[in-house]
Amino acid sequence: GDSVTQMEGPVTLSEEAFLTINCTYTATGYPSLFWYVQYPGEGLQLLLKATKADDKGSNKGFEATYRKETTSFHLEKGSVQVSDSAVYFCALSPRSGGYQKVTFGTGTKLQVIP
Amino acid sequence: KAGVTQTPRYLIKTRGQQVTLSCSPISGHRSVSWYQQTPGQGLQFLFEYFSETQRNKGNFPGRFSGRQFSNSRSEMNVSTLELGDSALYLCASSAGGPGTEAFFGQGTRLTVV
Repeated sequence: GDSVTQMEGPVTLSEEAFLTINCTYTATGYPSLFWYVQYPGEGLQLLLKATKADDKGSNKGFEATYRKETTSFHLEKGSVQVSDSAVYFCALSPRSGGYQKVTFGTGTKLQVIP
Repeated sequence: KAGVTQTPRYLIKTRGQQVTLSCSPISGHRSVSWYQQTPGQGLQFLFEYFSETQRNKGNFPGRFSGRQFSNSRSEMNVSTLELGDSALYLCASSAGGPGTEAFFGQGTRLTVV
């Protein structure tokens, strides 16, 4: 079945540091790929998405590129802020099958210190 | 445009009781999915409804059930609650096509004592 593997956390960075959170996936066909973010006590917010190979999703300074050859969708940000502290989930949704279902990774907690 | 609304935000129930959670999707969205989030198991898919029909179901016991109404609002029911059912239950709304993004509510925090 479908699965998503992302790097274990927590990740602790100083403000303005470069962020990379690795994500790889296993799926039949070519799924849509997403990054979601969860702040304490909140639900999930869609951060960015990509629907086909070589697509780059971007939002709020975060970027991720859909790499079909390496089945990866790594999240990057050039300069993190304290307000970026949250849990980040890599996820996929199959584009076939006649239903809507999201498979999530285990989440990576990011802590940014001033 | 209003987002996904889940009620209630918090619930405390006793083992053996049952509980009903509610979700109102984004206007125009016909797909509603439910997920359980726990520290140990992460985010797990419960089921998905589209136009009042369950299209897909995760690997949960029959105590977990759901339904969707003609206005796309959905309810999830858990009967005979167990301590292990304590979790954050998240509802997601989407336009319904495979591979489309899902928009989540803030969740209902269920505590079973």
